[in-house]
Amino acid sequence: EPEVTQTPSHQVTQMGQEVILRCVPISNHLYFYWYRQILGQKVEFLVSFYNNEISEKSEIFDDQFSVERPDGSNFTLKIRSTKLEDSAMYFCASRRERGGLGGHNEQFFGPGTRLTVL
Amino acid sequence: AQKITQTQPGMFVQEKEAVTLDCTYDTSDQSYGLFWYKQPSSGEMIFLIYQGSYDEQNATEGRYSLNFQKARKSANLVISASQLGDSAMYFCAMSPPNTGNQFYFGTGTSLTVIP
Repeated sequence: EPEVTQTPSHQVTQMGQEVILRCVPISNHLYFYWYRQILGQKVEFLVSFYNNEISEKSEIFDDQFSVERPDGSNFTLKIRSTKLEDSAMYFCASRRERGGLGGHNEQFFGPGTRLTVL
Repeated sequence: AQKITQTQPGMFVQEKEAVTLDCTYDTSDQSYGLFWYKQPSSGEMIFLIYQGSYDEQNATEGRYSLNFQKARKSANLVISASQLGDSAMYFCAMSPPNTGNQFYFGTGTSLTVIP
């Protein structure tokens, strides 16, 4: 069964360093997402991506964040200069097509990358 | 803005019993999707069930059913015949009909199944 994969599973970095989190969405999916979950808290939307551009982004997704689909398979999240408060689990998700009436089409989540900023 | 509320931070249920996890939402959209995901201690997000705002019947998926009351803006998850493997965090999420169809999640309910 196809699945979303994410690498690395755990990333430890020093404050101020750049990190790139990698995701390989399911191959025939068209919509891609990044979410984050600070330990013990809810999952928060960061950004959605479709047709090689950002379609929606949240207030969390400031100038320190960027996303890219450098080739036909990878989808990356870059944090330019990490802060302590960026420590969280980062989930990539993908969806086959835009939700129809009633917003159908569940998102398939990857296993997450746990980012620890020291 | 979309808001999802899960008022039960923790729930306990006896094995083989049924349990209801509450979820209410606030939206001005007429078209939206409601989802429930399970997050075990290993951290992955597992899709459980979906309900469309225009669906007249409550969704069911095996032991999971969704008690959808549109007028009250509630979408409670019912798990029947609880199993020890059901112990996990459960998140309610809503997807609005915008371009991105991103999810807005509630704060989650931690379910513990007692043998």
